[in-house]
Amino acid sequence: GDSVTQMEGPVTLSEEAFLTINCTYTATGYPSLFWYVQYPGEGLQLLLKATKADDKGSNKGFEATYRKETTSFHLEKGSVQVSDSAVYFCALTPNTGNQFYFGTGTSLTVIP
Amino acid sequence: GAVVSQHPSRVICKSGTSVKIECRSLDFQATTMFWYRQFPKQSLMLMATSNEGSKATYEQGVEKDKFLINHASLTLSTLTVTSAHPEDSSFYICSASDRGGNTDTQYFGPGTRLTVL
Repeated sequence: GDSVTQMEGPVTLSEEAFLTINCTYTATGYPSLFWYVQYPGEGLQLLLKATKADDKGSNKGFEATYRKETTSFHLEKGSVQVSDSAVYFCALTPNTGNQFYFGTGTSLTVIP
Repeated sequence: GAVVSQHPSRVICKSGTSVKIECRSLDFQATTMFWYRQFPKQSLMLMATSNEGSKATYEQGVEKDKFLINHASLTLSTLTVTSAHPEDSSFYICSASDRGGNTDTQYFGPGTRLTVL
């Protein structure tokens, strides 16, 4: 079945460091791929998405490229800030239906 | 953006009791609401999909008689955990979708932490 595997955390970085959180997926057909972020005490918020191969989603300095050949959707940011501290979830929806399949989440802490 | 609330945010109950969790869309009409369960250090698992005015669709392995879902209005869905046991302790998250039902217009609630003693 469809599933998402993402890098385990927690991840701790210094401010302005480069961030990569790996995400790979298993799905039939052409799923849509997402990154969600959950700040402490808040609900999940859509960070970025990509709906077809080679699409790049970007938002707030974060980027992820839909790589069908490697079935990956790694999240990157060139220079993290303290305010980026949160839990990040990779997710997919199959090309049929609108239910989400989530990864386990990766906790990021950015220290000044 | 759109806001989805959940109540309560945290509940502790005795084994054998029933607990109701509310999910509300505050500024839009949600034709579809989803209920997820998250165990510590694990991903969110979809439990059921509810459409306003009709019976919920449960995922395989989810007991519909134990997890009762009601979606009586376009702004409210409830999840009732009946005869709760310690193994039901978990983090329950709802999401709501507007009339378009597109995946990128799903809005998530902050979650409810259930602890069954």
